[in-house]
Amino acid sequence: EDQVTQSPEALRLQEGESSSLNCSYTVSGLRGLFWYRQDPGKGPEFLFTLYSAGEEKEKERLKATLTKKESFLHITAPKPEDSATYLCAVQVLSADGLTFGKGTHLIIQP
Amino acid sequence: NAGVMQNPRHLVRRRGQEARLRCSPMKGHSHVYWYRQLPEEGLKFMVYLQKENIIDESGMPKERFSAEFPKEGPSILRIQQVVRGDSAAYFCASSLGEGPQHFGDGTRLSIL
Repeated sequence: EDQVTQSPEALRLQEGESSSLNCSYTVSGLRGLFWYRQDPGKGPEFLFTLYSAGEEKEKERLKATLTKKESFLHITAPKPEDSATYLCAVQVLSADGLTFGKGTHLIIQP
Repeated sequence: NAGVMQNPRHLVRRRGQEARLRCSPMKGHSHVYWYRQLPEEGLKFMVYLQKENIIDESGMPKERFSAEFPKEGPSILRIQQVVRGDSAAYFCASSLGEGPQHFGDGTRLSIL
């Protein structure tokens, strides 16, 4: 069974304090790994797609990396507006639906 | 900049009634996915449709739930004879096929 585990469940940082969120996955065959951001009352907002080990993507203060077993979302010098739940999802070769982790609830304090 | 549009945003039904959730994909997208998010749980895949075809319904409950994506008009997720356990946020996503899925803001279904 395909599984996605995110850690930590919650993270509270001071503004400017860099950190990383982890997404570990066990799948039969990876087609792609996706990072989304979700704000309260909203739908997931697409951030990155990673397809192969060693790949990295970057956008503003966020950088996503991928290995054969896990992905990291690095947040550099975060701001309060980066507060949200960050979701990791995988798409496997044999299916089209995404398998999501439960997310990391990130709070950035000013 | 029309994204994925879902309506209604909130829907209240009494036990035993029918719920109909609608989803209009992003312009140019012909692939639609439905997900359910229960409190304290992650998003769970329900069904994947293309125009007039159900491609994968492996995550759909076998009874009371159905989905369609007609040639014209939005995709519909239909829940018959709703029960309390159906209370959740239902999200629709669309894509071009390959590439990321883009999500709407969901329909929050409450069952009285």
